[in-house]
Amino acid sequence: EDKVVQSPLSLVVHEGDTVTLNCSYEVTNFRSLLWYKQEKKAPTFLFMLTSSGIEKKSGRLSSILDKKELFSILNITATQTGDSAIYLCAVRGSSNTGKLIFGQGTTLQVKP
Amino acid sequence: EPEVTQTPSHQVTQMGQEVILRCVPISNHLYFYWYRQILGQKVEFLVSFYNNEISEKSEIFDDQFSVERPDGSNFTLKIRSTKLEDSAMYFCASSEARAAGNQPQHFGDGTRLSIL
Repeated sequence: EDKVVQSPLSLVVHEGDTVTLNCSYEVTNFRSLLWYKQEKKAPTFLFMLTSSGIEKKSGRLSSILDKKELFSILNITATQTGDSAIYLCAVRGSSNTGKLIFGQGTTLQVKP
Repeated sequence: EPEVTQTPSHQVTQMGQEVILRCVPISNHLYFYWYRQILGQKVEFLVSFYNNEISEKSEIFDDQFSVERPDGSNFTLKIRSTKLEDSAMYFCASSEARAAGNQPQHFGDGTRLSIL
């Protein structure tokens, strides 16, 4: 059965800290891995990763995929209170319909 | 920036009643999805829809569920006879016309469905 596991489940840091969120997966015929940020409502797309070792970067956020070890990390540097959210990892597997399999999410709280 | 819109934001319904959740996907998108998230649990795939038909559905998507694209803009999820366990946040998502596996899905704000 396809599975996505995120760790830690929750994290509390102070502004300015750097955090690393983890996502491991077991999926038949992996196609891509996506990171989303969920604040109060809609999950907002952050990154889509398909190839190992190529870092995707957007401002203070970056992410990388390791297809051999079946995991991805999401890094946030110089955290701000506005980074407080649930970060969701999702994977596309063998389905050609685009179906996403989600992890349980990491709740990040950034304190001032 | 274009976005997926969902209505209503919150729906409260008596058990056994029918509900229709509505979504307007991003205008140039052709792949549509419904997901649900029971409080405290993972986001779960329900159904994908392309070219006016269901392309994949999960075990959750049983006979009480149906989807429809009644016109060029709306995409609806109907639950025929609601149960207490249908209480959840329901998200609609869409992705671009190119191959579904290569495009990110963009999500709406969700409809919180509460069954009494």
